[in-house]
Amino acid sequence: GEDVEQSLFLSVREGDSSVINCTYTDSSSTYLYWYKQEPGAGLQLLTYIFSNMDMKQDQRLTVLLNKKDKHLSLRIADTQTGDSAIYFCAAPNQAGTALIFGKGTTLSVSS
Amino acid sequence: EAGVTQSPTHLIKTRGQQATLRCSPISGHTSVYWYQQALGLGLQFLLWYDEGEERNRGNFPPRFSGRQFPNYSSELNVNALELEDSALYLCASSLQQGARENIQYFGAGTRLSVL
Repeated sequence: GEDVEQSLFLSVREGDSSVINCTYTDSSSTYLYWYKQEPGAGLQLLTYIFSNMDMKQDQRLTVLLNKKDKHLSLRIADTQTGDSAIYFCAAPNQAGTALIFGKGTTLSVSS
Repeated sequence: EAGVTQSPTHLIKTRGQQATLRCSPISGHTSVYWYQQALGLGLQFLLWYDEGEERNRGNFPPRFSGRQFPNYSSELNVNALELEDSALYLCASSLQQGARENIQYFGAGTRLSVL
């Protein structure tokens, strides 16, 4: 079935780079998404990438897409304590009727 | 421009009662999606409405239902509440129908607690 998987935890020091990885099963996905959820809050759209792109950069965020391996990654440069949150990878299901989310990666940034 | 707004922020009910959650999409968006975020289960798709019609539903029992109004706002109703319905319910809206090419923007959610 359709699935999105990501590692559950990542711990980094302030100033380091963070890399969060995600794999997905549905190869017909057109857009792939990264959302951020801070404690007690809803989901904030961080960035997205169209499936015909390999890379997208937006300030401190870099998204890499390997379509052959169905692998998506989010790199956060110069990670700050304010980046501590849960990061969700999401892809449309095959019918395009809903988003399928990974279980979320909890990023912990220590100073 | 206002984002997706949800009300109430918190809702406390007892088993067997009914809960009604509300969502107003971003102006101009016609599609509304509902997701459940329960502890340990991640984000699960519940319902999708577009142009007033239910277009798709996830793997949830019929006591989860909803509707979309002519102004594109939406209600999620949960009947005969069970303890495991306790979760954060998130609403999202998108510009056009379909999740494949249309970015979903989320509200802050309604936290439903069933006692």
